Amino acid sequence: AQSVTQLDSHVSVSEGTPVLLRCNYSSSYSPSLFWYVQHPNKGLQLLLKYTSAATLVKGINGFEAEFKKSETSFHLTKPSAHMSDAAEYFCVVSSNFGNEKLTFGTGTRLTIIP
Amino acid sequence: DGGITQSPKYLFRKEGQNVTLSCEQNLNHDAMYWYRQDPGQGLRLIYYSQIVNDFQKGDIAEGYSVSREKKESFPLTVTSAQKNPTAFYLCASSPGLAGAKNIQYFGAGTRLSVL
Repeated sequence: AQSVTQLDSHVSVSEGTPVLLRCNYSSSYSPSLFWYVQHPNKGLQLLLKYTSAATLVKGINGFEAEFKKSETSFHLTKPSAHMSDAAEYFCVVSSNFGNEKLTFGTGTRLTIIP
Repeated sequence: DGGITQSPKYLFRKEGQNVTLSCEQNLNHDAMYWYRQDPGQGLRLIYYSQIVNDFQKGDIAEGYSVSREKKESFPLTVTSAQKNPTAFYLCASSPGLAGAKNIQYFGAGTRLSVL
């Protein structure tokens, strides 16, 4: 069984300040973890993925995430927020063994304050 | 351009009517998926297909049907049995079954509303 919990449904930050979107996961097997971004009325775009290689993963648009097995976390960060980062972000887990369906979190809406 | 095309962008359904959402991909991907997105609930898997002429139910298949007659096409029919069809529907594809090795790529979505 696998599940993912996004700890904040809504995060607001000022432009130029750091972004932190929190995600905890549960998986019976070694997991793969992903962050996707969705702009209003659009499909989802992959930001980054973790698949058991380096625990610090760099993605597009300056985002990165760190896999912490002891804390079962995969938080998404960015040093300096830009107005274009305003969107909904989804943390996603998949198992590396057996049925590899994706399980999506409920999303975090990121608002950027000018 | 390579990608996934969903049509129409907006769709309205009358009471008792079946409607079909189109999904076409030119990425030569084997696997295709349909998700439903409701506010505050993330994405839920409706159906998926690993290969032509084969498909499996996802977590919320009741009231929906699919076909996979061609590799590039995976249409979704929302039947009259689906009592709460208003949602944003997303189609995705991946080279193989999604997971560690196969990233899912998404279309732009179809927003379905009930008249």
